[in-house]
Amino acid sequence: QQQVKQSPQSLIVQKGGISIINCAYENTAFDYFPWYQQFPGKGPALLIAIRPDVSEKKEGRFTISFNKSAKQFSLHIMDSQPGDSATYFCAASSSGTASKLTFGTGTRLQVTL
Amino acid sequence: DAGITQSPRHKVTETGTPVTLRCHQTENHRYMYWYRQDPGHGLRLIHYSYGVKDTDKGEVSDGYSVSRSKTEDFLLTLESATSSQTSVYFCAISEEPFYGYTFGSGTRLTVV
Repeated sequence: QQQVKQSPQSLIVQKGGISIINCAYENTAFDYFPWYQQFPGKGPALLIAIRPDVSEKKEGRFTISFNKSAKQFSLHIMDSQPGDSATYFCAASSSGTASKLTFGTGTRLQVTL
Repeated sequence: DAGITQSPRHKVTETGTPVTLRCHQTENHRYMYWYRQDPGHGLRLIHYSYGVKDTDKGEVSDGYSVSRSKTEDFLLTLESATSSQTSVYFCAISEEPFYGYTFGSGTRLTVV
């Protein structure tokens, strides 16, 4: 069963635009929600993460918005740049599970000039 | 990534043969994980370890075994490789829960 659903599967955004990727989860025990960025031929790298005690976290051009009641969270990339073109994965884990992360299926982002 | 190395980077093997992938870390992190990445499935957990000789199954563990005899090494073995195990395999390490993972560069395995 897919515990973390991610959309869209792919996304094309113009340079300077806002990229938005959404994730929904089912397990109410999840309490840690990171986003990973992956470039071709590389392993995923942690981009930004949030705990459910806050509704938003911002780091530079990247923002996570979290809606606990809806069990949804999203990644917003402001002023998207061609260098942001990559695959993005949302993930979730719960306390006491050796921090095992459950990943979404990924979103391939392409930022065009 | 510095601190975590996967070997080999690429491997082609025949159906029915055993295959072992190695993950080596120099960070002295407690937690180690093996994931496989497939189009349309994202990353799925195969096995993980929370200490030397302490391992447990993930969601797609059938056909795989692991061993961790030293803190720095986590081995993934495909006991009898099948074409469905053609994938990119990633090892990850984590110091403590919620500190995030550091991933290796992956091993691309093709079973013919």
